[in-house]
Amino acid sequence: AQSVTQLDSQVPVFEEAPVELRCNYSSSVSVYLFWYVQYPNQGLQLLLKYLSGSTLVESINGFEAEFNKSQTSFHLRKPSVHISDTAEYFCAVTGGAGKSTFGDGTTLTVKP
Amino acid sequence: DARVTQTPRHKVTEMGQEVTMRCQPILGHNTVFWYRQTMMQGLELLAYFRNRAPLDDSGMPKDRFSAEMPDATLATLKIQPSEPRDSAVYFCASGPQRGVNTGELFFGEGSRLTVL
Repeated sequence: AQSVTQLDSQVPVFEEAPVELRCNYSSSVSVYLFWYVQYPNQGLQLLLKYLSGSTLVESINGFEAEFNKSQTSFHLRKPSVHISDTAEYFCAVTGGAGKSTFGDGTTLTVKP
Repeated sequence: DARVTQTPRHKVTEMGQEVTMRCQPILGHNTVFWYRQTMMQGLELLAYFRNRAPLDDSGMPKDRFSAEMPDATLATLKIQPSEPRDSAVYFCASGPQRGVNTGELFFGEGSRLTVL
């Protein structure tokens, strides 16, 4: 069995400030890890993924996440957020069966 | 631009009516998932297909919900009879298999269902 815990349900920050959205997981097998973003009235979009190799993965819009196996974490960070980053962010883990388990989501609100 | 297509985008119906939601997965993807999203429960997995075969539908109320893949280009989710508690956004997602099934998903824009 696998599970995902997103430690913060809401994260308010000011524009240009740094942000970290925290994600912890548990699994009895090796996993693949994902962050998805959901803008209002839209479906989820893949933001970044860890499959293997370098534990630090980056997205095209400045987000990065680091896979920490010893702490079973996959926190999402951005050094300077924009108003347009306001959205809900979901952490997900996939185990051996290819089925993803999602966290409850973190609402990031960027204020001017 | 490959994308998952869901219809209808919005549906308002009355309790007891049948509702059918349709999904066209991305061509070449071999896994299809149905999720339900509500404020209270978040994202719930309803059903999961691989190569059109149902692998897991344990999240789906069996008495009223059914999910099928008549062919590789169409997945359906049917509710009969519908109830107000079924009001939610229903997402379809498809995933590629490149050797190993990593679980990477591409989501449609969802079908927003309101049952009065």
